[in-house]
Amino acid sequence: EVQLVESGGGLVQPGGSLRLSCEASGFTFSKYWMSWVRQAPGKGLEWVANINRDGSEKEYVDSGKGRFTISRDNAESSLYLQMNSLRADDTAVYYCSRISYKSSSSPYLADWGQGTLVTVSS
Amino acid sequence: QSVLTQPPSVSGAPGHRVTISCTGTNSNIGAGFDVHWYQQLPRTVPKLLIFGSTNRPSGVPDRFSGSKSGTSASLAITGLQAEDEADYYCQSYDAGLSAWVFGGGTTLTVL
Repeated sequence: EVQLVESGGGLVQPGGSLRLSCEASGFTFSKYWMSWVRQAPGKGLEWVANINRDGSEKEYVDSGKGRFTISRDNAESSLYLQMNSLRADDTAVYYCSRISYKSSSSPYLADWGQGTLVTVSS
Repeated sequence: QSVLTQPPSVSGAPGHRVTISCTGTNSNIGAGFDVHWYQQLPRTVPKLLIFGSTNRPSGVPDRFSGSKSGTSASLAITGLQAEDEADYYCQSYDAGLSAWVFGGGTTLTVL
């Protein structure tokens, strides 16, 4: 059974930093692209970042470029999101997700973690 | 404003059929990229419902079906049940933005 467990969320002041972690189990972590997706309170889903299998390719939402860094440690089956210069509109639940391409011309999010809440406020 | 457009809400009586549309452009759905659908039950984590525009993951009832044509896609739910009340999101890839894109979400109410 695939399990994705996020941690690291919390309350941070505007301009501050936070590092989210996601511990994966139940699948061969190194074989999959991974993603972070967020959901602001009462709002819809927003893709944040993707990383390929060995960490050499990374993609970001425009609002995260230059502020967010996605990374992974395949030996530890862990995914990370370093967030700097945080703003109030970064307040959201951040989900770690496993990406799949099976039977599709575009990738999708096959499994989701429970999420970790990030609150940016003074 | 979301790149993919969904109606904010739909409703239907138990046992009836509803459809949820997802309208994109020639940079995403119209460019041939598949559409995927996620179901988010109240106070829960999103779950993959339809992938590759028409495929159901194991465990998803065949009451749920997806289709795609041109720059749009649809999710159909037949035999509506109270447990289907949830938010539904479509997702694809946008080549012009080089980004994953979601619809704004549709809240389904079972009357």
